[in-house]
Amino acid sequence: EDQVTQSPEALRLQEGESSSLNCSYTVSGLRGLFWYRQDPGKGPEFLFTLYSAGEEKEKERLKATLTKKESFLHITAPKPEDSATYLCAVLQNTGNQFYFGTGTSLTVIP
Amino acid sequence: GAVVSQHPSWVICKSGTSVKIECRSLDFQATTMFWYRQFPKQSLMLMATSNEGSKATYEQGVEKDKFLINHASLTLSTLTVTSAHPEDSSFYICSARRGLAGYNEQFFGPGTRLTVL
Repeated sequence: EDQVTQSPEALRLQEGESSSLNCSYTVSGLRGLFWYRQDPGKGPEFLFTLYSAGEEKEKERLKATLTKKESFLHITAPKPEDSATYLCAVLQNTGNQFYFGTGTSLTVIP
Repeated sequence: GAVVSQHPSWVICKSGTSVKIECRSLDFQATTMFWYRQFPKQSLMLMATSNEGSKATYEQGVEKDKFLINHASLTLSTLTVTSAHPEDSSFYICSARRGLAGYNEQFFGPGTRLTVL
């Protein structure tokens, strides 16, 4: 049973073309939802933590939002340097384990 | 803040040898560290969770005698791949979590590329 599902698997955007990535989760008792960016051959880079429905976080062209069942990572006017794989993960209230999604591979074309 | 380093960044070894990978939290104390393995174009696969001063908890299917984890201090965890074989070749990534209430994020190291010949 998948705990975290990300969609789409891959996304190609023209530079400046805004879009959203989705992360839906089925865990009960969410302690936190996390977004990471991973470049090829590197470890994931932490972006955001969201704790409760309705919460939003922003960083440059990225904005993360959270509802009771999913989170969105909105990318506004993306640039080629935003090309990467974006991972989300959830942490339940009980236990210490993070559940990672399989990621969305974003390519921004100049 | 929240920087995690890994050493080495890449290693090539012969089959049958052991390889040690170090993971350090540089500017915070990490009560919990995680070790992941990642295959090309796939997501992270959790191998084990280690708490400082305790034995690591291994995920199902991960051989604890093959992948030895030591979390000897609040800033250092090591993964030793014993008697490595070509199928152990992979990208290994560690992460660390601060031991403070309300700080739940994992911060990842840059990864170690292991190639076993």
